Amino acid sequence: DSGVTQTPKHLITATGQRVTLRCSPRSGDLSVYWYQQSLDQGLQFLIQYYNGEERAKGNILERFSAQQFPDLHSELNLSSLELGDSALYFCASSPLAGSLSGNTIYFGEGSWLTVV
Amino acid sequence: QKEVEQDPGPLSVPEGAIVSLNCTYSNSAFQYFMWYRQYSRKGPELLMYTYSSGNKEDGRFTAQVDKSSKYISLFIRDSQPSDSATYLCAMSAPIRNTGNQFYFGTGTSLTVIP
Repeated sequence: DSGVTQTPKHLITATGQRVTLRCSPRSGDLSVYWYQQSLDQGLQFLIQYYNGEERAKGNILERFSAQQFPDLHSELNLSSLELGDSALYFCASSPLAGSLSGNTIYFGEGSWLTVV
Repeated sequence: QKEVEQDPGPLSVPEGAIVSLNCTYSNSAFQYFMWYRQYSRKGPELLMYTYSSGNKEDGRFTAQVDKSSKYISLFIRDSQPSDSATYLCAMSAPIRNTGNQFYFGTGTSLTVIP
């Protein structure tokens, strides 16, 4: 158990709909990252938050948005869903850079989104 | 050029073989190097974590980093069918007092045949 919690684990929704994925980082981790992984594809970095502020953006579509709340949990909102959005969405968290706990990243088990 | 290059495989070996997985990178600022194991439809699990150049051993797993060549390796000794998974390399260049940036390889699919 990495300590990163994601909900829901699975969801099926129709095209054009909107969904929200939720992530609770490991205790004490200030950074949250969102990744998308389509079938047999590598991890695609979407967005990073650090202590409530957006820090880096990857290949995130305009239909997608995210935020990190004061309690450090994060949500990824996916709207106007298309068939091609079907994928595993991972949340990950990381300790503070330069901290004694190291500079690595821990993943949740993912939210499996199927758009029909 | 991608920041991190990893041969996607697939790689198939008999049980008990020594497996070598490799990644190359282009950014000399990378200081932290990681290997993750990902079973199908599961979250990547941290296997090994090394800082700068050198070797690190953990049971049947050995991670090597050669910063001069910008090359990292993961060796698996006495491979087992349970090692069948996708292995991802990752590296980071920390930015102090903020979050790290992480760069991942595309993963190598490994199958260990009993």
